[in-house]
Amino acid sequence: GENVEQHPSTLSVQEGDSAVIKCTYSDSASNYFPWYKQELGKGPQLIIDIRSNVGEKKDQRIAVTLNKTAKHFSLHITETQPEDSAVYFCAARPGSGGYQKVTFGIGTKLQVIP
Amino acid sequence: NAGVTQTPKFQVLKTGQSMTLQCAQDMNHNSMYWYRQDPGMGLRLIYYSASEGTTDKGEVPNGYNVSRLNKREFSLRLESAAPSQTSVYFCASSEGGMAEQFFGPGTRLTVL
Repeated sequence: GENVEQHPSTLSVQEGDSAVIKCTYSDSASNYFPWYKQELGKGPQLIIDIRSNVGEKKDQRIAVTLNKTAKHFSLHITETQPEDSAVYFCAARPGSGGYQKVTFGIGTKLQVIP
Repeated sequence: NAGVTQTPKFQVLKTGQSMTLQCAQDMNHNSMYWYRQDPGMGLRLIYYSASEGTTDKGEVPNGYNVSRLNKREFSLRLESAAPSQTSVYFCASSEGGMAEQFFGPGTRLTVL
């Protein structure tokens, strides 16, 4: 099955700096890579996603890049703000059969220091 | 719209007790999921239901059963709880297998 590795597990940045979270996946057939943000005491919420036919996607201060050859994808948050503090999960979904079987990384706890 | 709702929010069980976690969604989604979240392990899929009337095992199904009661509701049952099932349980739903998953607020379960 799919294996998703995520690092770092914790990340502290000063407000206004950038944060980068990296993930690798094992199944070359995976074709959809969502990123979720989980605030304390809440369920995860989708913040951005990317499909395997796209190399980069941006939405205001967040961007995701995908390198299919290396099986890497990354989340970039620029101009970080205290409300960005949360746990972020990357995930990968198979491209065929069992579309529902999304595999998540272990999560990155991001702390933005005011 | 309430989205995805879960009950209860917190539960403490003794080893061997049984209980059912309830989940309901009001978004008319076809697919529903149960995950558990443990420190250092991320979210792991327990069971999912691709559509009303179907259920399938995920990554960690042992010790659990599920019922897709109707299109709105998907319950998770622990027949004989064990301390290893202490976790936070999340229910999620999506329009289909290839669509965004929406998560509920979670149930924190402790098994003593």
